[in-house]
Amino acid sequence: DSGVTQTPKHLITATGQRVTLRCSPRSGDLSVYWYQQSLDQGLQFLIQYYNGEERAKGNILERFSAQQFPDLHSELNLSSLELGDSALYFCASSFLAAKSYNEQFFGPGTRLTVL
Amino acid sequence: GIQVEQSPPDLILQEGANSTLRCNFSDSVNNLQWFHQNPWGQLINLFYIPSGTKQNGRLSATTVATERYSLLYISSSQTTDSGVYFCAGRVETSGSRLTFGEGTQLTVNP
Repeated sequence: DSGVTQTPKHLITATGQRVTLRCSPRSGDLSVYWYQQSLDQGLQFLIQYYNGEERAKGNILERFSAQQFPDLHSELNLSSLELGDSALYFCASSFLAAKSYNEQFFGPGTRLTVL
Repeated sequence: GIQVEQSPPDLILQEGANSTLRCNFSDSVNNLQWFHQNPWGQLINLFYIPSGTKQNGRLSATTVATERYSLLYISSSQTTDSGVYFCAGRVETSGSRLTFGEGTQLTVNP
């Protein structure tokens, strides 16, 4: 158990819908990262928050957005869903944003299926 | 961004065999992590190893940062070692994001 929690574990929805994925980081970690794992793209970085502020963006679609709340949990919102958005979405956390030691710990993932 | 190349892409072993997985980076990395993704999809941290050698039970890892590669050794493999092994690295110019390789699919047969 990494200490990072994600809900829900599984999500099945239809094209055009909107969903919210939730992540709670390890106790004491200030940084939250979102990654997407799909069959054709592999594991890719989406976005990072540090202590409530957006720190870095990767290959995140405009239909996707995220935020980190004062209690440090984070939510990833996916809207106007398409079939190609079906993937495993991971949240990771680390203590520091970008220092010499920055081990990231991953949650169990949310498996999204868009029908 | 950096490119991460893992080899071999697939590996099939008999229980008890040893193996070496390799990870090459196109640029110098600050952080380097090895993960095991089990059949249920969970990503399990194996090593955080920007440089040097670490051991944890039957697993060990070595990173030679100056030559931009890392090795993961699995000794006396067990069926529970099956799954996908990923390496991932971070470069200073890309902030904190990890860039993952495509993984090595390991199957250990009884």
